[in-house]
Amino acid sequence: DAGVTQSPTHLIKTRGQQVTLRCSPKSGHDTVSWYQQALGQGPQFIFQYYEEEERQRGNFPDRFSGHQFPNYSSELNVNALLLGDSALYLCASSPGWGTGDTQYFGPGTRLTVL
Amino acid sequence: KQEVTQIPAALSVPEGENLVLNCSFTDSAIYNLQWFRQDPGKGLTSLLLIQSSQREQTSGRLNASLDKSSGRSTLYIAASQPGDSATYLCAVRPGTYKYIFGTGTRLKVLA
Repeated sequence: DAGVTQSPTHLIKTRGQQVTLRCSPKSGHDTVSWYQQALGQGPQFIFQYYEEEERQRGNFPDRFSGHQFPNYSSELNVNALLLGDSALYLCASSPGWGTGDTQYFGPGTRLTVL
Repeated sequence: KQEVTQIPAALSVPEGENLVLNCSFTDSAIYNLQWFRQDPGKGLTSLLLIQSSQREQTSGRLNASLDKSSGRSTLYIAASQPGDSATYLCAVRPGTYKYIFGTGTRLKVLA
């Protein structure tokens, strides 16, 4: 059973560009969350998708947007990249959104903005 | 606003030692607390999940406790090994949507 997968593994962009990161949830999971982890920090919640809708959003600007597809996979888009967007972006999936459901994390995408 | 603090930020111990990692949170209204392990540049691996109604969970050499009223959790690692070297993250779940993470404890176990 494949776990959460993310692509690409690494990405280098320049300021002002746009980037799309992809996530495939664990089999049987329908809820996807995205987190940003800056170097030396804990992950910070960006947003969560369920049934193709954004259910909640963390304290991130509108430059960060997402999408969930009918097969539950998800994309994270970041526009007008800033140097401060350099981070490890983690995707997590869960089998629903109950409070007892743990989130399973993918390996992450390392984004470097030059 | 919920905040999670982990002490110490870094820890270096000789192999075989028993050790305790600490996590504190400011708001006791949580659904659960989870401990994760993160190897350098990698994703998160769930170690232990404690529901708010539970006091502790055990898995192998790991034991995590939760005192919700005082806003504290500890992760106990018995007989540490070099393979335990990693960053350990504590996260609380205040609602149905997200986890709030601490900044982690970087553990190095010396052979």
